Amino acid sequence: GAVVSQHPSWVICKSGTSVKIECRSLDFQATTMFWYRQFPKQSLMLMATSNEGSKATYEQGVEKDKFLINHASLTLSTLTVTSAHPEDSSFYICSARDLIWHNSPLHFGNGTRLTVT
Amino acid sequence: AQTVTQSQPEMSVQEAETVTLSCTYDTSESDYYLFWYKQPPSRQMILVIRQEAYKQQNATENRFSVNFQKAAKSFSLKISDSQLGDAAMYFCAYRSPTQGGSEKLVFGKGMKLTVNP
Repeated sequence: GAVVSQHPSWVICKSGTSVKIECRSLDFQATTMFWYRQFPKQSLMLMATSNEGSKATYEQGVEKDKFLINHASLTLSTLTVTSAHPEDSSFYICSARDLIWHNSPLHFGNGTRLTVT
Repeated sequence: AQTVTQSQPEMSVQEAETVTLSCTYDTSESDYYLFWYKQPPSRQMILVIRQEAYKQQNATENRFSVNFQKAAKSFSLKISDSQLGDAAMYFCAYRSPTQGGSEKLVFGKGMKLTVNP
């Protein structure tokens, strides 16, 4: 089945630094990938839609200059948390869908747990 | 905007018994997709079952089945013969019809299922 790989699975960084999270579709192509954020014991909240070869679409309230998204190929999207602060600590999950199958479901990565100290 | 409501934050079930998880949603669209995702402690999002709104027949996947009531905008999940491995957070999700390959999921708040041996 389709697999989405997310790396790293966890990261600890100091306040003020930047962190890059990668999301790869391993055996299918995806023009669109989605980035979600999940706080402890809460649901997944969509942050942005990553579009291959064009600018990402951000949800209301999400700072595009803080959460930089790059989708340079059909199999890779990256989310960079810039100038991270402790309140950015969260679980970040990406998802993607196989283009070939019209009604294929979204596949999720394993997530990245970010801790900002 | 579409909304998804899971009114029960937690439930428990005895092993081998049956449990039903409730979900309601609000939409003005006539065609859409509904999903149940499972998130075990590993945080990996796993698709349990999906339902296309245009299909009257309720979806089933082995021990998992849904009761889709379109007029009532209700989408409950029934787990039969519950197993210890079914313990997880369960999220109900809504997706609009795919347009141009883009899609995003709207999640409910989730429900924690505990399976007692």
